Amino acid sequence: DAGVIQSPRHEVTEMGQEVTLRCKPISGHDYLFWYRQTMMRGLELLIYFNNNVPIDDSGMPEDRFSAKMPNASFSTLKIQPSEPRDSAVYFCASSLAHQGDYGYTFGSGTRLTVV
Amino acid sequence: AQKITQTQPGMFVQEKEAVTLDCTYDTSDPSYGLFWYKQPSSGEMIFLIYQGSYDQQNATEGRYSLNFQKARKSANLVISASQLGDSAMYFCAMRPTGFQKLVFGTGTRLLVSP
Repeated sequence: DAGVIQSPRHEVTEMGQEVTLRCKPISGHDYLFWYRQTMMRGLELLIYFNNNVPIDDSGMPEDRFSAKMPNASFSTLKIQPSEPRDSAVYFCASSLAHQGDYGYTFGSGTRLTVV
Repeated sequence: AQKITQTQPGMFVQEKEAVTLDCTYDTSDPSYGLFWYKQPSSGEMIFLIYQGSYDQQNATEGRYSLNFQKARKSANLVISASQLGDSAMYFCAMRPTGFQKLVFGTGTRLLVSP
């Protein structure tokens, strides 16, 4: 199994531009999570999906952020327009409900820099 | 709501020694799971160990063990025989049983010296 795959690994963009982060979860996993990691706020859960349906998006900071999961093997996190304070590492993770004692499997993250 | 507290921003240990990383939690849920993750400088998050709140014995995984004291609401990670490759950030996390949302602490940076 290739694990959770995120792309791109690094993204540098100018303020005001649209940014799209991509994630491919582990095949068969029924939960997908988007986290953001910053020095100031640590690891924050932005949104998570169960069977492609958004369950809790209370962590999404603003309307500029949106996430979709059109099918079981793909999810996107979009920021439009991007701002310098969005600079962070964004992690995608997936899990299988019946393997709760293994926690999540994380992707390698996308380091976003907005200049 | 759940809360995880890691009071040690940084810890130092010499190679081959044991080290304990502290984690306390707060929850009103009767059943929950506790997790530790390692984040090396390369940035990935690596699952280390899990403890269920109703597990009778402390969890162990190789050199990692979890010192679980339910009454004190603590779930400390013990790393035995530290290695240079153990230098990393370590995060404690928890979630109520039946729910998928993991709440993380702020992390402890461990530095292992030769």
